[in-house]
Order: sequence, then structure tokens, then C-alpha cells
Amino acid sequence: SAVISQKPSRDICQRGTSLTIQCQVDSQVTMMFWYRQQPGQSLTLIATANQGSEATYESGFVIDKFPISRPNLTFSTLTVSNMSPEDSSIYLCSAVGQGHNEQFFGPGTRLTVL
Amino acid sequence: AQTVTQSQPEMSVQEAETVTLSCTYDTSESDYYLFWYKQPPSRQMILVIRQEAYKQQNATENRFSVNFQKAAKSFSLKISDSQLGDAAMYFCAYRRNAGGTSYGKLTFGQGTILTVHP
Repeated sequence: SAVISQKPSRDICQRGTSLTIQCQVDSQVTMMFWYRQQPGQSLTLIATANQGSEATYESGFVIDKFPISRPNLTFSTLTVSNMSPEDSSIYLCSAVGQGHNEQFFGPGTRLTVL
Repeated sequence: AQTVTQSQPEMSVQEAETVTLSCTYDTSESDYYLFWYKQPPSRQMILVIRQEAYKQQNATENRFSVNFQKAAKSFSLKISDSQLGDAAMYFCAYRRNAGGTSYGKLTFGQGTILTVHP
């Protein structure tokens, strides 16, 4: 199994600023994803982080707002840009293991925007 | 598009008793995975159990088992001998198993909050 770490674990930010969240996996994985979980809600996929190329975004999410990088097989970043209180959520990194039959999650980053 | 529905926003169970959480899904695919995840207040998503659609046998992991009814598109989770540590939000999730642009993407249900009473 893979262990995923995220930094920071939580942050409180001011409106209009940006925050970059880091995701590190302890082993090579095939695919990495970023999810958002709004308060009291389920998880919604933001995008697939593609190694060495632009991320693939889901409907309702755009690169200007949520730029994503994945420079190698084990690391990815998600930036939440020009934040507003509506961006207050938990952001979770996820990865599919080499065996393809498991899907792991990081501990999440709790973001509060004032 | 695939959808996953959990019709029980909240469930409760007495310690040591058995509880079943319901999940239904809609898909036109034949090859997929179904998962149950547990999310305690720590917010860490913990994989409880997974089921491959082409396997007839229901998956079992210790006190956790599923009732997978492929034709009915139903995937319920049974927790036996419930423990206080089982209290959490439980999410049912679907993942297409074939290749293509949707591979690896999880579609989640709305979640069920499970309370365990001592």
C-alpha cells in the first residue's frame, strides 16, 4: 500500500490570496487526483494530475483557479488561487497504486478562507 | 455518467450489534470497482473494503462484508460486532476499471454518518 502525506494539514487564509498544497506519495503510483470536500458534503473530483503535462479538469473546475503540477510520479501540488470564503473546504490528494485495485488518500488539507 | 446514491444520511447501532449501510449506483459499464471508505473526524479516508464487479463472491474483511447485487446495482456494507471505533462517515464509491479518460476517477455517494452507542 502507499502512504500519502499532505502539507499543510490546515491553514487559514485571507480572501484574495493563494495557497499551494503539496502531496507526496511514498511509492510510485499510476495516477494522482485532487478532490474537494466542502463542509458536511461528499467528495468531488477537481482534476487528474498528469505527470509532466497539464492536468485534466472536471466540469466546473478551471486551471486558472486550481493550477496543478505533477513533476514526477510521486509528487503533486494544487494551488487554490484568488481565494474566497466559498473555497473553504478540505482538499484531498488521492493516488491509484501500481496494482490498480487500490485507491489511497492523503490526510487532507483543511482550508478556511476569511 | 455514473451516479452513486446512499439513501441513509444517518444510521445508529448498539455496540456489538450488526448494521447495514445501503448504496445503489447507476452505470452502463460492466467492468468496475466498488469501494466503501470510512472517514472519522480526523478526516482521513480509510479504505474499508472493495469489490470487483466481475467477481461473484462478496468481499469480506474481518467484521466488514458486502452484499453485491450486480443486476440490481446494489452494494451494501454490513458491519458485524460493531465497535465504538466504527463511528464515522461512510462513503460508497464507484470506479470504472477500463482505460480511457475516466479511469481511476472515483464517484462518491453522499455519505452515511454512523453512530455507535455503548
